[in-house]
This record gives sequence, C-alpha cells and structure tokens, in this order.
Amino acid sequence: AQTVTQSQPEMSVQEAETVTLSCTYDTSESDYYLFWYKQPPSRQMILVIRQEAYKQQNATENRFSVNFQKAAKSFSLKISDSQLGDAAMYFCAYRSALNYGQNFVFGPGTRLSVLP
Amino acid sequence: DAGVTQSPTHLIKTRGQQVTLRCSPKSGHDTVSWYQQALGQGPQFIFQYYEEEERQRGNFPDRFSGHQFPNYSSELNVNALLLGDSALYLCASSMVGIKETQYFGPGTRLLVL
Repeated sequence: AQTVTQSQPEMSVQEAETVTLSCTYDTSESDYYLFWYKQPPSRQMILVIRQEAYKQQNATENRFSVNFQKAAKSFSLKISDSQLGDAAMYFCAYRSALNYGQNFVFGPGTRLSVLP
Repeated sequence: DAGVTQSPTHLIKTRGQQVTLRCSPKSGHDTVSWYQQALGQGPQFIFQYYEEEERQRGNFPDRFSGHQFPNYSSELNVNALLLGDSALYLCASSMVGIKETQYFGPGTRLLVL
C-alpha cells in the first residue's frame, strides 16, 4: 500500500517570502500522479498543483512550483511571494495511474501560517 | 458551472443512530469518492462509486455504505454511529479515466454525541 508522509506539522513564512513544504511517499508503482491540495478554514479542499510521474519537468502554477525527485520519492511544494491568503492546511496526495486506483492517499498535512 | 455540493453542512447525532450524507458531483463528472477527515488529520478514503456501483473501498467497516444514482449524485450512509465517527466527510468527483483530478466539496461536519 502506498503511504504519504509530511514531516512538517507546522510552518510559518513572512509575507512576500518563499517557503517550501516537504512531502515523501512510498510506492512500488512506476506510474502515478502527485498533488498538492490546500484546505483553508472554510474546509473546501482546493487543488494547488498536479504532477504526473512520467514527466521529468516540474509542474508550476503561478507562484506555486514543485520539486519532484522520483528516485528519492520526494515531492516538495514551493510557494513564492507568500500572501496572507496562502495560510491554510496543505496536503500532499498520491494517486495510482492504474484505472482501479483512482482514490487518493493523503499525507497528514502541514499547517502554513503567513505572518504580515 | 456548479462545483461539488454536499448536504447538510453540519449534523449532530447520538451513538447508535444512523446518518445519510448527500453529494452532487461537478457537472460532467461521473465518479464520486467519499473521504473521512478526522480533526487534524488528512482525509481517509472510504469508497468510490462509478456507474452506480462501488468500484473501490478503503479500510472501513460495513457500517459505512453508499449509493450512486443515475444522475451521478451519491449518498453515504453510516449505521450504528460511534463517537469515533465524528469527522468531516468529504465528497470528491471526477471523470472516469486515468488522468482526471478529483474536485472536492465543502464537506459535512458530523458530530456524534
């Protein structure tokens, strides 16, 4: 079974600065997808960024980018120019590329605080 | 374009009771997954429905059951509620296929007293 680990329960960053959230995962599969989701206090889980394992290029979405290291099974999220609205719980998630494995395996989350 | 909707938003039940939670998927989506998120933890997969059948199930007891309707909406039923069932229940929808992302609803907060 796949597992996802987020070793930083809490992180804080100064507004306009850059922060990196860590995620590692364990799988025996070679093809899969990785995601970062954001969950603000409103509870709605919002997709931040997605990475396909077969792509070597790291995904980017505006101020959000990932560092995907397949051999190390590492998938970190970098938030540049942090904004107050970035404060939330961030979850790293794994999904198998197999048709029957469409459920997500989530990590325990990292609570990010943004300081003004 | 309506996103994933869930009802009710909050619910209070007592031990031993039964509860039904509802989910309407995002327009165009045909697959619904349910997750349980205990306080301070990541979501845990309960089960997934596609074509009105349970396609995959996580490590949850038979007290947790579900249903999907022809319009793709779904229900999660929990029987014989335990205090430990108190959690945020999230519904996520997607389109069948190996590349689609799941989009989540706002969740139903269930408190079992």
